[in-house]
Amino acid sequence: GAVVSQHPSWVICKSGTSVKIECRSLDFQATTMFWYRQFPKQSLMLMATSNEGSKATYEQGVEKDKFLINHASLTLSTLTVTSAHPEDSSFYICSARDPGLAGAGNEQFFGPGTRLTVL
Amino acid sequence: AQSVTQPDIHITVSEGASLELRCNYSYGATPYLFWYVQSPGQGLQLLLKYFSGDTLVQGIKGFEAEFKRSQSSFNLRKPSVHWSDAAEYFCAVAQASGGSYIPTFGRGTSLIVHP
Repeated sequence: GAVVSQHPSWVICKSGTSVKIECRSLDFQATTMFWYRQFPKQSLMLMATSNEGSKATYEQGVEKDKFLINHASLTLSTLTVTSAHPEDSSFYICSARDPGLAGAGNEQFFGPGTRLTVL
Repeated sequence: AQSVTQPDIHITVSEGASLELRCNYSYGATPYLFWYVQSPGQGLQLLLKYFSGDTLVQGIKGFEAEFKRSQSSFNLRKPSVHWSDAAEYFCAVAQASGGSYIPTFGRGTSLIVHP
């Protein structure tokens, strides 16, 4: 199946700094990628939909100026958490859709996640 | 708006015992339904999905799920659990949008397997 990677897998940063998380589709081109946030023992919450070559679409309540998303190529989307604070500490997961797959609906393939800890 | 309820936060079973994880959804039309598994520190892996047709869906790793419209349920089952099945399980519902979908996830059920 299609593989999605994330880098880094774990990052610790100081409050006020910015952190960039990369999401890559390794063996397919993804026109659409998604960014989720997962708090401990909770569900995944969709933050934004990232479309290659255009602006990301953010879910209600997600600050687009804080969570900057760039989808500059068909295999890479980045999420930058700007001026991170302890409350931004979370598990961030990306997923990518393989438009080359047939069938009703395009399955999303999930990355392994990035654990962000803001001190 | 669509929503998913997984009423059990934790489920504990003995290895070799049968398993059923509950999932109820709320959605106006015929939903797309999914079960994902997440191992510690890992991303989500799709176990199975229901779009239409046969209401009993077979998935990977010996899992199956049954769509019951009258009960708005999509429970996950496995006849004999292995220790490696210990993980977090997420049920999800989605609506179709332009030939694809964006799932809404339940809060997850943590499966604990005793030897």
